[in-house]
Amino acid sequence: KAGVTQTPRYLIKTRGQQVTLSCSPISGHRSVSWYQQTPGQGLQFLFEYFSETQRNKGNFPGRFSGRQFSNSRSEMNVSTLELGDSALYLCASQRETSYNEQFFGPGTRLTVL
Amino acid sequence: DAKTTQPNSMESNEEEPVHLPCNHSTISGTDYIHWYRQLPSQGPEYVIHGLTSNVNNRMASLAIAEDRKSSTLILHRATLRDAAVYYCILRRIQGAQKLVFGQGTRLTINP
Repeated sequence: KAGVTQTPRYLIKTRGQQVTLSCSPISGHRSVSWYQQTPGQGLQFLFEYFSETQRNKGNFPGRFSGRQFSNSRSEMNVSTLELGDSALYLCASQRETSYNEQFFGPGTRLTVL
Repeated sequence: DAKTTQPNSMESNEEEPVHLPCNHSTISGTDYIHWYRQLPSQGPEYVIHGLTSNVNNRMASLAIAEDRKSSTLILHRATLRDAAVYYCILRRIQGAQKLVFGQGTRLTINP
């Protein structure tokens, strides 16, 4: 069974640009969550999608947005990039409406110059 | 979200047992105790979870205090591949599926 895949793995952008990251969950998983990891703040929850609907959102500015498609694949977008957005962005999927484990992808390393 | 407290770092030797403690004094009756770990340059991976009783799986054991205010993750025989940051997380049975990560414990394994 294929794991969670994220593309691209590495990305370099400049301030003011926007970026779109992609996540493909494990087959059959309908919940996708996104997290940001930085050395200073650690792992922080961004948002969770289930059946194309955002179910929960973390404490991030509106520049961070996401969506989920009918095949459960998800994208997150960051507009007007700032230097502080440099981070590892992790996607995780899990089976629907359960407290069971989340399966994480390898992440996308975003560098903002 | 209920908080957990873990030591910043721990060190152990290869092939010895490791006991990673976690305090969660504000845990509620509907909170499960989950453990994840993050190996270098990888995303977090699930280790184990439990509610009240001790739990075992192929990776580790989870010992939960009778009052549920603390728990211990036990690696029975550590290997170099167990060097990682270990996170203790509380998750509600129902509701939001987000994981709230603390700073975790950085485990170093000496050969």
